[in-house]
Formats: sequence, structure tokens, C-alpha cells
Amino acid sequence: KAGVTQTPRYLIKTRGQQVTLSCSPISGHRSVSWYQQTPGQGLQFLFEYFSETQRNKGNFPGRFSGRQFSNSRSEMNVSTLELGDSALYLCASSTGQGRGETQYFGPGTRLLVL
Amino acid sequence: QQPVQSPQAVILREGEDAVINCSSSKALYSVHWYRQKHGEAPVFLMILLKGGEQKGHDKISASFNEKKQQSSLYLTASQLSYSGTYFCGTEIDKTSYDKVIFGPGTSLSVIP
Repeated sequence: KAGVTQTPRYLIKTRGQQVTLSCSPISGHRSVSWYQQTPGQGLQFLFEYFSETQRNKGNFPGRFSGRQFSNSRSEMNVSTLELGDSALYLCASSTGQGRGETQYFGPGTRLLVL
Repeated sequence: QQPVQSPQAVILREGEDAVINCSSSKALYSVHWYRQKHGEAPVFLMILLKGGEQKGHDKISASFNEKKQQSSLYLTASQLSYSGTYFCGTEIDKTSYDKVIFGPGTSLSVIP
């Protein structure tokens, strides 16, 4: 099975712009979770989508949003970018069927905001 | 809700042992352990479930004390390849599915 893929891998934007990141989960997985990783904060949970619905949400401002399509692919959007949004954005997929499931991470998208 | 990990960082010589701890203020259903090497995605190591047994493979094992809401990852006879940042992820014990929240990570460096 192919692993979790994320595009693009690298991105440079300027403050005020918006950005869309994409995540394709492992075939058959219906849950996609997004995390922001920065050196000082570790892995911060953004949100989780399951069957096209947001099932869980972290403590991020409304500038961060996401969606999931019928094929389970997910996109994350950040509007009005700030310097502090520079980070590695990771998505993880699982079947989402129950508790205690393994999550499989993609390689991440590294976003730099100038 | 973020779990606490200790130590923040550790340096080992090849062959030495290490223990990484993870604790939560809430009752847990599961604890997940991942290792991330620099510039790479986190890689799954093992998962421990409430009521389950201690897990391990090769020289890496983990335990889960449900009553104390704590988990420990044991690395024995460390190898250079063990270097990386170790994250624990916790899932609160609820009746429904919940998100996995990760700790801040423990940086482990194994030197020759």
C-alpha cells in the first residue's frame, strides 16, 4: 500500500497571503488528522476529519480550516498568514473506526512565511 | 491536555539504556509512541491500550500504568539508529473516539 502523501513538500509565502495544503491518506483510511509542528511546541493538533466531517478540533484560530473530500483526501487552508505560522504541517491517517488506532504520518509540508 | 514527557533530552553512549516517561492528568485509553528523525515524518513504534499488556519488540518496549496515567518507553542496549525525538501520544478514556494529543517530545542522541 502506498503511504500518506502530502503536497507540496515546501512552500514559501508572505504575510497576509493564504495557503492550501493537501493530504492523501492510505487507501481505505477515512480519518485524516492535521498537526502543526514547531521546534518549541512539538506536535500541536489542528483538527481531524472523518467521512467528510470535522470530528475533532484543536485550539487554533479560525484562520485555520480544513475539509475532506469523498475520496478521503483532505485539504488544510490557512488564511491571512502570520510569521508564526511557519512550521511543518503533518497529516496522519487511520481507518478512524475506533479508539486506539495507529496513525500513519505523511512526510509533511514545510511552510515558511516571510 | 497535552501529556508531559521527561526527560526533555538525553545523551547516551552506544549500548546504554534509557527510559522516557509520559504522563497525563486525565484517565487514558491508549498511549502511542513514535520516533521522528530529523527532517522525517514520525514513525510508529507501538501502541498500548487500557487493559492491555506491556509491549515490545527487539530492544524497545513500553509499559502503561493506567492508574497513574503514565507510560514509559524502555530502550535497552541503545544503537546509533535510536537517535531521534520520541513522542508519546495520548487518547483520553471516553466512550467515544477521541483525538490523539502528543507530548512535546524527548530528544535522544546516541553517540559512539
